[in-house]
Amino acid sequence: GAGVSQTPSNKVTEKGKYVELRCDPISGHTALYWYRQSLGQGPEFLIYFQGTGAADDSGLPNDRFFAVRPEGSVSTLKIQRTERGDSAVYLCASSYQGQAYNEQFFGPGTRLTVL
Amino acid sequence: GESVGLHLPTLSVQEGDNSIINCAYSNSASDYFIWYKQESGKGPQFIIDIRSNMDKRQGQRVTVLLNKTVKHLSLQIAATQPGDSAVYFCAENIIGQGGKLIFGQGTELSVKP
Repeated sequence: GAGVSQTPSNKVTEKGKYVELRCDPISGHTALYWYRQSLGQGPEFLIYFQGTGAADDSGLPNDRFFAVRPEGSVSTLKIQRTERGDSAVYLCASSYQGQAYNEQFFGPGTRLTVL
Repeated sequence: GESVGLHLPTLSVQEGDNSIINCAYSNSASDYFIWYKQESGKGPQFIIDIRSNMDKRQGQRVTVLLNKTVKHLSLQIAATQPGDSAVYFCAENIIGQGGKLIFGQGTELSVKP
């Protein structure tokens, strides 16, 4: 079956612009996670959704970052007034439930470059 | 300007040898641990997991060892193959924090044919 998909695969933008990154989780998975991965480092947790609600958004670095999942399926990560330091690969993962011991399946990521 | 990424620890092994990748985790309240493999341009891929009530778990060609006393996790790959070349990350889940994962820095495994 289809895995987690993310669009676009690459996004180049200018400092100060607004971007949206999309994640399509595996069908039937109720939990969806966003992570950010900088060059040479492990993924860093940003936020996770259980259904439509954000269960934990403690990893969002500041109020320029926001994510939604209005129908409990597709999620969009939104970044306002982008900065060069936002450049990274943004990974999305989904799992059957939003609890420990549930395998998270990762998408290929969106590489964001802020010029 | 562009920030310089950290240099990942690198392990270089000969094809057919066994590989051991180590990870120190950070939180005593972590009760679930996972090893992921990440190939260039792809997302992390689940390899094997272990709960804190175990100290060893085996899969196909892989074994994970957990030492809670010193907060250490290791991944052993038997008969390493060129297709095993990738970056390997350990991740921990802290009890009570849902599915949120905290990843370690990662180790780059290079397998020479």
